Amino acid sequence: NAGVTQTPKFQVLKTGQSMTLQCAQDMNHNSMYWYRQDPGMGLRLIYYSASEGTTDKGEVPNGYNVSRLNKREFSLRLESAAPSQTSVYFCASSVGRGQDGYTFGSGTRLTVV
Amino acid sequence: ILNVEQSPQSLHVQEGDSTNFTCSFPSSNFYALHWYRWETAKSPEALFVMTLNGDEKKKGRISATLNTKEGYSYLYIKGSQPEDSATYLCAFMNRDDKIIFGKGTRLHILP
Repeated sequence: NAGVTQTPKFQVLKTGQSMTLQCAQDMNHNSMYWYRQDPGMGLRLIYYSASEGTTDKGEVPNGYNVSRLNKREFSLRLESAAPSQTSVYFCASSVGRGQDGYTFGSGTRLTVV
Repeated sequence: ILNVEQSPQSLHVQEGDSTNFTCSFPSSNFYALHWYRWETAKSPEALFVMTLNGDEKKKGRISATLNTKEGYSYLYIKGSQPEDSATYLCAFMNRDDKIIFGKGTRLHILP
């Protein structure tokens, strides 16, 4: 089982460039999430999607947009990357609203220079 | 403000010894408490999901307890092995579907 697949694994961007992080899950999960992980901090929620066609802001949404393309895919877009967005990004999915735990992707390490 | 605290931040344990660490969370509006194991360069993997006060869960040498009234959970590892080296994350979920992760306890097993 593939679980949650994220691409790319690594990316270096220049300030002002844009890019989209892709995430797909094959577990028929309803909910999908984007988190960022920074040194000394817990995982922080950027955006989530409780079901196909819906998206909501999390704790740190500024500078990001998301798209729930279908039930399987949830993408995260940086329109104009900033050094403060240097981080490790994790996509996750859950059956319901997370009460049964998350399945995480392998992460994307993004550096903005 | 919802706050989830994990202690200690880092822990070194001799191989074969047992150890435990703590996750503290708000005692009100509780819905679920998750524990994850996160190895370096990998993604977090769910260990336990706990929902009832007094819950005890076990997976091999790892077990966890839950006290929702006082807002804490303990994770225990019996007879630590090198493969137990990882960061252990807890996440608190309230009835409003808000999930907050702790910063993790980084466990190092010394040979």
